[in-house]
Amino acid sequence: AQSVTQPDIHITVSEGASLELRCNYSYGATPYLFWYVQSPGQGLQLLLKYFSGDTLVQGIKGFEAEFKRSQSSFNLRKPSVHWSDAAEYFCAVGAPYSSASKIIFGSGTRLSIRP
Amino acid sequence: ETGVTQTPRHLVMGMTNKKSLKCEQHLGHNAMYWYKQSAKKPLELMFVYSLEERVENNSVPSRFSPECPNSSHLFLHLHTLQPEDSALYLCASSQENMDEQYFGPGTRLTVT
Repeated sequence: AQSVTQPDIHITVSEGASLELRCNYSYGATPYLFWYVQSPGQGLQLLLKYFSGDTLVQGIKGFEAEFKRSQSSFNLRKPSVHWSDAAEYFCAVGAPYSSASKIIFGSGTRLSIRP
Repeated sequence: ETGVTQTPRHLVMGMTNKKSLKCEQHLGHNAMYWYKQSAKKPLELMFVYSLEERVENNSVPSRFSPECPNSSHLFLHLHTLQPEDSALYLCASSQENMDEQYFGPGTRLTVT
């Protein structure tokens, strides 16, 4: 079975600074990988996904993530954060060709932006 | 309406009440999910429906009763809830075997 770990519970960065949120997964083969963002009181919105191919994935809102098989990681990056990026970020892992339920979410990283 | 919608957005109910949460997806998906999100806890998968059949029930108490009358609609019927059931209840949908899930805005439930 797959699992996912987000080591950082809460991160604060200054507006305009770069951002990297960490995600590590455990799965026997190449999984499907996702990053979602959740604003307060809202549902989760898909930022980007990796299924196969190019290991650097571009998403919405200027985010990107890089799949590194050797490190079992799928870290989310943004070169310059905006105050509107303050939210909770969830990494998720799915098993290819599996049933609908086989997606596991990490516990989330809360991002705060310092003016 | 586009995407996944949920009603109501906010619900306050007493422990003896009966209420229902509604979810509707306009994406043509064939799998739907209920999640519970409590403060400081990971997202908890409650129920999964695939092609209108319940395929997963993660040890959810019987005071929560799901219903999926068709591939576009999902309900969560609530009765005799406890204060610890207060949470954000999220609905999601996907195309089976694609894993990418689309979420509704959630229903903030408070049990008094």
